[in-house]
Amino acid sequence: GNSVTQMEGPVTLSEEAFLTINCTYTATGYPSLFWYVQYPGEGLQLLLKATKADDKGSNKGFEATYRKETTSFHLEKGSVQVSDSAVYFCALSEMNYGGATNKLIFGTGTLLAVQP
Amino acid sequence: DVKVTQSSRYLVKRTGEKVFLECVQDMDHENMFWYRQDPGLGLRLIYFSYDVKMKEKGDIPEGYSVSREKKERFSLILESASTNQTSMYLCASSNGRRRTEAFFGQGTRLTVV
Repeated sequence: GNSVTQMEGPVTLSEEAFLTINCTYTATGYPSLFWYVQYPGEGLQLLLKATKADDKGSNKGFEATYRKETTSFHLEKGSVQVSDSAVYFCALSEMNYGGATNKLIFGTGTLLAVQP
Repeated sequence: DVKVTQSSRYLVKRTGEKVFLECVQDMDHENMFWYRQDPGLGLRLIYFSYDVKMKEKGDIPEGYSVSREKKERFSLILESASTNQTSMYLCASSNGRRRTEAFFGQGTRLTVV
């Protein structure tokens, strides 16, 4: 079945460091790919998305490129801030053509801690 | 602004109690979901619904049931709460016609004692 694998955390960085969180997926067809962020005590918020191969999603300085050849969607940011400290989830949208549902399959999440 | 609202942020229930978690969305979305979030396990799908009165089991439906009598409301029911159901519960909704993102509620932290 479809699945998402992301790097385990925690990832601890100093402010202004470069961030990469790896995400790879297994899917049939052409899923959409997402990164969600969860700040302490809150629900999940969409950070960025890409709907087809070679698309680049970007938001708040974060970027991720949909790489079909490597089945990857790695999250990157050039210079992290303390306010970026959160849990990041990679996800894919699994389309059930019969029922038209688009279930989200999530990775296990990566905790990012940015120190001043 | 889109909104998914869960009825409680925190709940404490006793073992054996029947527990209702309520979720309401104001986006006229066809799809609604209930996930459970546990450390190291990420989000696991309990149940989802793609239309009123329609439901399908997710990955971990045991011990849970759901109800969707109106399009905007999706309820998760713990028939007889147990301590291993202590967790964070997240409701989400999405547009059923396109592969768009899901929108999440704030979560309900349930503790069963």
